[in-house]
This record gives sequence, structure tokens and C-alpha cells, in this order.
Amino acid sequence: NFMLTQPHSVSESPGKTITISCTRNSGSIATNYVQWCQQRPGSAPTTVIYEDDQRPSGVPDRFSGSIDTSSNSASLTISGLKTEDEADYYCQSYDSTNVVFGGGTKLTVL
Amino acid sequence: EVQLVESGGVAVQPGGSLRLSCAASGFTFDDYTMHWVRQPPGKGLEWVSLITWNGVSRHYRDSVEGRFTISRDNSKNSLYLQMTNLRTEDTAFYYCVKDVGGNWNYVFDSWGQGTLVTVSS
Repeated sequence: NFMLTQPHSVSESPGKTITISCTRNSGSIATNYVQWCQQRPGSAPTTVIYEDDQRPSGVPDRFSGSIDTSSNSASLTISGLKTEDEADYYCQSYDSTNVVFGGGTKLTVL
Repeated sequence: EVQLVESGGVAVQPGGSLRLSCAASGFTFDDYTMHWVRQPPGKGLEWVSLITWNGVSRHYRDSVEGRFTISRDNSKNSLYLQMTNLRTEDTAFYYCVKDVGGNWNYVFDSWGQGTLVTVSS
């Protein structure tokens, strides 16, 4: 089984840009798609990025995703931060038999 | 608009059984693979099970294999999770999740609001 490692928490000011990383410890990050979901306090998760860099309809283009094979990691970038972006963010990927979520990153917008 | 509405979560004793349901609308249900994903209160997300569009292929996480059964009724646009021999570690919010495709895949794009299962004596 592989693991996805995320920073436990990040913080930034409104209007700024932040990037959350998700590092895969074995196997290539490029082999299987990476998804990102947002979970606001007390709410269910919602997908903000799927298939590495695709946004579901209704997700603002302030959210973008990418992968970097040199660091074997995926990244979620949120630009023009708003207080409503304050939430937990989880990356997720898979291989032939396992589905793995990262441990989650708490984003504070202050 | 995709809507996924779970129901059936209750408090149950260890060893008990429960069936969760998910009513789907806003998309062509029988075109898509569906999943159950759970989240113990205050903890992270865990994938539980998958069923392909036609119900032929099913997959489970190791810890629920043999105890949980995923099924679907495409005529009713509904997904189910039959849970037996429940353990305290099964306590979690259970989310019904839509995949982007119809085959064996793990790309989630829409989530329900969740239903809470509590296993306690």
C-alpha cells in the first residue's frame, strides 16, 4: 500500500495564494489520477479537483490542481483566498487494489 | 444538479446489522460507478466499497470484506450498503459518492450529505 502525505495545517491571509502539497511515498504520482476534496466544518466533503486538474462544474477557477513527477506529488492551489475557503482539504488517489486518502490539511484564512 | 441523499444511519449494538440507502437524482444513475466512503467523527476519510454501473463488479476495503455488501437498484436510482456483524470501529458518517465513470474506477466527483452510524453497547 502507498501513502499520501499532506501538511497538517496551513494558513494565509485573504486575497493571497496558497498551495497544499500531497506526496505519494511509493509508485508514481502520474500513474493514477489525484482528486482533492474540501470539507467545511460540519459539512460533507465536496470535490474541488478530479483527474489531477479538472474542476467540477460550479467550482471557481481560483482552485487549480497539478502533479509534479520530480517530487512525486500533487498540489492544490487556491488563489484570491476567501474566508469561505477555510476548510479541511483531502487528496485522494488509488492503485489497482487500494484507495488512499491523505490525512487532510486544515486551511485557516485569517 | 446531482443529488445524493443517504438514509438509514442509526445507533446499533456491536454484532448488529443495518442497511444504508442512497437516493440519487440529477444524473443518469445507471451510467456511473458508485461508492461508499466513511469518516469516523473527527477523523479522516476512508473508502469503503465500490459497485460498477451494472452491479457486476464490487470491491471492498479489507476491514469490511465479508461483513458489508454493496448493491444497487438502477430502476429505483438507489444505492445500498448492507452492514452485518458491526464493530465499534465501524462508527462513522457514511457518504454515498458518485464516480466520474461507469467502470472499475476511483475518481469521486459528487458526494451526499452523509448518514451517521453509531456502533456502541
